[in-house]
Amino acid sequence: QVQLQQSGPGLVKPSQTLSLTCAVSGDVSLSNGAAWIWIRQSPSRGLEWLGRAYYRSRWRYDYAGSVNSRITISPDTWRNQFSLHLSAVTPDDTAVYYCAREHLNSCAGDCHRASSYIDVWGTGTTVVVSS
Amino acid sequence: EIVMTQSPATLSVSPGERVTLSCRASQSIAHKVAWYQQRPGQGPRLLFYGAYNRASGVPGRFSGSESGTEFTLTISSLQSEDFATYYCHQYHTWPPHTFGQGTRLEIK
Repeated sequence: QVQLQQSGPGLVKPSQTLSLTCAVSGDVSLSNGAAWIWIRQSPSRGLEWLGRAYYRSRWRYDYAGSVNSRITISPDTWRNQFSLHLSAVTPDDTAVYYCAREHLNSCAGDCHRASSYIDVWGTGTTVVVSS
Repeated sequence: EIVMTQSPATLSVSPGERVTLSCRASQSIAHKVAWYQQRPGQGPRLLFYGAYNRASGVPGRFSGSESGTEFTLTISSLQSEDFATYYCHQYHTWPPHTFGQGTRLEIK
């Protein structure tokens, strides 16, 4: 059974970079066809998809327009984990952040226009942006 | 962007009751809807995908259905562990993925 274990700081200062890591366990490889995503949840925005990484001959990335200039998702196949980096944070970025897996396995090649359901979620990390 | 509207926001029900949760899409999304359950302090858990395909380990008292742009999650007889918040999610048209605002089941 696939499990996602999150780690990272719960407090980040404004203008700094928020960095979280998601370790994937359960005999599954990051490059097995799924997409590895980050979603955040806040009372004001609800569940907000931030971005994803998936492997099709090379790593490919899709990011939400709302954070596109500030976000980077970094897969680490050696450690079987992936990370979120969100730069220049403001208090508006305060939220619970989740890593998750999107079931993108049926899509071959460039899956830029494909999407699927989310079948595994992490436990969540509460991140507060405050000085 | 497709908007998913869930109703009601909160539902007060008693254990053993049958409950129906609704989710309406702002446009046609075929059957590409997923439902998730979220208990306090936990991440969401997949219940259904493709509107009515039950995920592994989900009890049979849960069922999903669709009618046009209206999607329904039904729990036939509420158990104590079912009191949680439920979200629908459309993955037909993206970006972005969009989610409903959730329906919270509370004990009457």
